[in-house]
Amino acid sequence: EPEVTQTPSHQVTQMGQEVILRCVPISNHLYFYWYRQILGQKVEFLVSFYNNEISEKSEIFDDQFSVERPDGSNFTLKIRSTKLEDSAMYFCASSDHIGPAAEKLLFGSGTQLSVL
Amino acid sequence: AQKVTQAQTEISVVEKEDVTLDCVYETRDTTYYLFWYKQPPSGELVFLIRRNSFDEQNEISGRYSWNFQKSTSSFNFTITASQVVDSAVYFCALSEAQGGSEKLVFGKGTKLTVNP
Repeated sequence: EPEVTQTPSHQVTQMGQEVILRCVPISNHLYFYWYRQILGQKVEFLVSFYNNEISEKSEIFDDQFSVERPDGSNFTLKIRSTKLEDSAMYFCASSDHIGPAAEKLLFGSGTQLSVL
Repeated sequence: AQKVTQAQTEISVVEKEDVTLDCVYETRDTTYYLFWYKQPPSGELVFLIRRNSFDEQNEISGRYSWNFQKSTSSFNFTITASQVVDSAVYFCALSEAQGGSEKLVFGKGTKLTVNP
């Protein structure tokens, strides 16, 4: 089955540094998402992206965060100035449809971000 | 507001036992979608099922089965004849597809340990 690919699997950075997390969604998918999971907690929605723009974002997704689809395959999450509390597993997800036509929402294997 | 409750924080069973993971949800919408994901110790989120609110038929896939009851707002997951490889955290999630997004709201997860 096609997979959502995320790189790197682990990222260590210093507080205040910028990080870019990368995702390659499934090729025919149109809807893209970022979620995060702080250690031992539930998975939380960050942002959704469709038709080259943000369609929805959570309160977590403040001005320090941005997303981009720079080419036809990559989908990136940038954190401009990382804080200790940004340490979490970040998951990318994609789907081909939403609503009744959708069958699955598939996640990548995640990027573990550690901010020191 | 949407909410998903997984009241069982941890469950421990012996191999070959059947186990049911509970999920209760809250939503004001009449159209919504319910999901189950498995998170093994390696950390990825593995899609198990997506069910829309108009389809109340129970589903069986191998040793897995799901019981959807709108009357009690529940979407419970049963593993029959559990195996050690079923040990994982299982998340139930809810979405209401709207606009260009299908944001998932996750429960806190149930950690299942299957002992040999």
